[in-house]
Amino acid sequence: DTAVSQTPKYLVTQMGNDKSIKCEQNLGHDTMYWYKQDSKKFLKIMFSYNNKELIINETVPNRFSPKSPDKAHLNLHINSLELGDSAVYFCASSRIGGGDEQFFGPGTRLTVL
Amino acid sequence: GENVEQHPSTLSVQEGDSAVIKCTYSDSASNYFPWYKQELGKRPQLIIDIRSNVGEKKDQRIAVTLNKTAKHFSLHITETQPEDSAVYFCAARGSRGNNDMRFGAGTRLTVKP
Repeated sequence: DTAVSQTPKYLVTQMGNDKSIKCEQNLGHDTMYWYKQDSKKFLKIMFSYNNKELIINETVPNRFSPKSPDKAHLNLHINSLELGDSAVYFCASSRIGGGDEQFFGPGTRLTVL
Repeated sequence: GENVEQHPSTLSVQEGDSAVIKCTYSDSASNYFPWYKQELGKRPQLIIDIRSNVGEKKDQRIAVTLNKTAKHFSLHITETQPEDSAVYFCAARGSRGNNDMRFGAGTRLTVKP
């Protein structure tokens, strides 16, 4: 029973394309996140979202948009992909109201050619 | 927002020795400091955490210390084993909550048998 799952695990695509990464959590958590881990392993939060509020990191380009059909899912859409978007993207979740531990998904390795 | 610095970036120790990783943070209102372990190709997983009202916490071979005055916290691993080899990330949650979770740049720990 995977707590936080992501699909696909690998994504290879051409510059300029639009792609989506899906995330689902079965922990009953209310808050979900997207992180980007670059080639130097640096983890950077992109978004946090609960059913009331989307918090966007100010450095995230507006080509990236999270979409949540329900509180168990937070998908990441990326438009007009660029070479610099190549990274591993992790979804995570935690309880609302400052719930502490963040549970990470297995990651999606995105390669933009 | 929060800013976290982590040192060293790489650390190599002999099996059985201790390893210490140090982090500093900038936001004096930060109240939660987790440590994550990321094995090669895997997701980050929480190994220990500490809140701002506690100075030290221990879990078997792992301990974390927090100095709020100096705004730094450290991870201590004793009796290291080869399976401790991984990248370790410290993080600090700033005053804006979980959307303000900032990670250090990571420390690659290698334990030589």
